[in-house]
Amino acid sequence: EVQLVESGGGLVQPGGSLRLSCAASGFTFSSYSMIYVRQAPGKGLEWVSYISPSGSTIFYADSVKGRFTISRDNAKNSLFLQMNSLRDEDTSVYYCARDDSTGQEFLDYWGQGTPVTVSS
Amino acid sequence: DIQMTQSPSSVSASVGDRVTITCRASQGISTWLAWYQQKPGKAPNLLIYAASSLQRGVPSRFSGSGSGTDFTLTISSLQPEDFATYYCQQANSFPLTFGGGTKVEIK
Repeated sequence: EVQLVESGGGLVQPGGSLRLSCAASGFTFSSYSMIYVRQAPGKGLEWVSYISPSGSTIFYADSVKGRFTISRDNAKNSLFLQMNSLRDEDTSVYYCARDDSTGQEFLDYWGQGTPVTVSS
Repeated sequence: DIQMTQSPSSVSASVGDRVTITCRASQGISTWLAWYQQKPGKAPNLLIYAASSLQRGVPSRFSGSGSGTDFTLTISSLQPEDFATYYCQQANSFPLTFGGGTKVEIK
């Protein structure tokens, strides 16, 4: 069974940092691209970042570029999102998701989400 | 960036009704479109990919159609468990973008 289990969210002050983790199981993690999507309270879905299976190709939304860093450890079946210089508008539930194997970015499995609150 | 516009933003319907949701892309995206269902407090769930392919395990009352810029999601006979918010997403190019969502409510 494919599972994505997220952790690392919490309350942080503006300007602070958090590191999110996503533990994968039930599939060959090193064969799949992975994506982070976020959802602000009461709002829609926003794509945040993409990482290819080897980690050699990475993309970011303009809203987080230069502040967030996505990475992965294929030996430990884990995905990470390092979030620095956090702003109020980064407050969201953050989801990791698996990019399916069709060659396009359809997200076939999602984690449960981890909430991030940026507030003083 | 490709903008995705969904309509309506909400719809009230009864069990057994046929419901259609539309999604329009600001430029052509071939059939690189997905539909997701999200229930309150839960992660989204992939329903349709490549505009019309039904994800494994999704009931056949869900169907998708369209190509280029105009797409539709149809629920042929609404069931109680289908009351949720639905999002389209383009997978043609980065940045990936989602529609604003359509909330399907009980009439």
